[in-house]
Amino acid sequence: QQQVKQSPQSLIVQKGGISIINCAYENTAFDYFPWYQQFPGKGPALLIAIRPDVSEKKEGRFTISFNKSAKQFSLHIMDSQPGDSATYFCAASKGGGADGLTFGKGTHLIIQP
Amino acid sequence: NAGVTQTPKFQVLKTGQSMTLQCAQDMNHEYMSWYRQDPGMGLRLIHYSVGAGITDQGEVPNGYNVSRSTTEDFPLRLLSAAPSQTSVYFCASKWMNEQFFGPGTRLTVL
Repeated sequence: QQQVKQSPQSLIVQKGGISIINCAYENTAFDYFPWYQQFPGKGPALLIAIRPDVSEKKEGRFTISFNKSAKQFSLHIMDSQPGDSATYFCAASKGGGADGLTFGKGTHLIIQP
Repeated sequence: NAGVTQTPKFQVLKTGQSMTLQCAQDMNHEYMSWYRQDPGMGLRLIHYSVGAGITDQGEVPNGYNVSRSTTEDFPLRLLSAAPSQTSVYFCASKWMNEQFFGPGTRLTVL
C-alpha cells in the first residue's frame, strides 16, 4: 500500500514558467510534509516543509500548498530556472518522524531554457 | 562540519558475499537511518536508530543488519548479498524533523 502518491512522474517546463508537482497521502496521522530536491549523484536535500496547521508556506520561489480535507499537498516552483532541473520527492512523517519518512516515487523535472 | 559521510561511493559484489556500508555524522544527531533508492520507487526506509544502542526496523529490513555503538556511526551490513539488493543506499541523520542525507553508496550485486 503506497501511502504517499506523487504525480507526475516527469515534467518539462519552459524557463520562467510555473512547475507544479502534486502529492496525496492516506495516513491521517502524518503531521509533517517535506519536499526534497535531488541532483544526479547526490543525496536528497530538504527544500521546504509544512505542517497541517497551515494551508500554504512560501520560501523564495518555492511554495507548498496544503489541503488537509483532501489529504493533498503540492509544490509550486515559480519562475522556474534551468538550475531547478532535478528530481523532487514529497514525503510525510508522523509523531516527530521517529519511524522515518514515507516518500513519494519522485518527479523528474526538466526546465528548458 | 563534514555532515553525513558514506563509504564506499561504489561497490560491486557477487551474490552471497557480505559487506558493510559505512556511515558517519559529525553533527551529534541522535537519530540516524538507512534508506535504499530504486528507480521509480522513491526512497524506502531499511533501519533506523534513535540513539546509541537502539535500532529498529523500517519498511524493507530483510537481508540487512545494523548496530549503533556510538552516536557518530551507523553501519549497514549485508550478510549474504542478493541481486535484489542492487540499489543506491543513503544514510541520514535527523535533527528535529529535518533529515540530512549522505551522498550515497551505489551497490551492484552480480
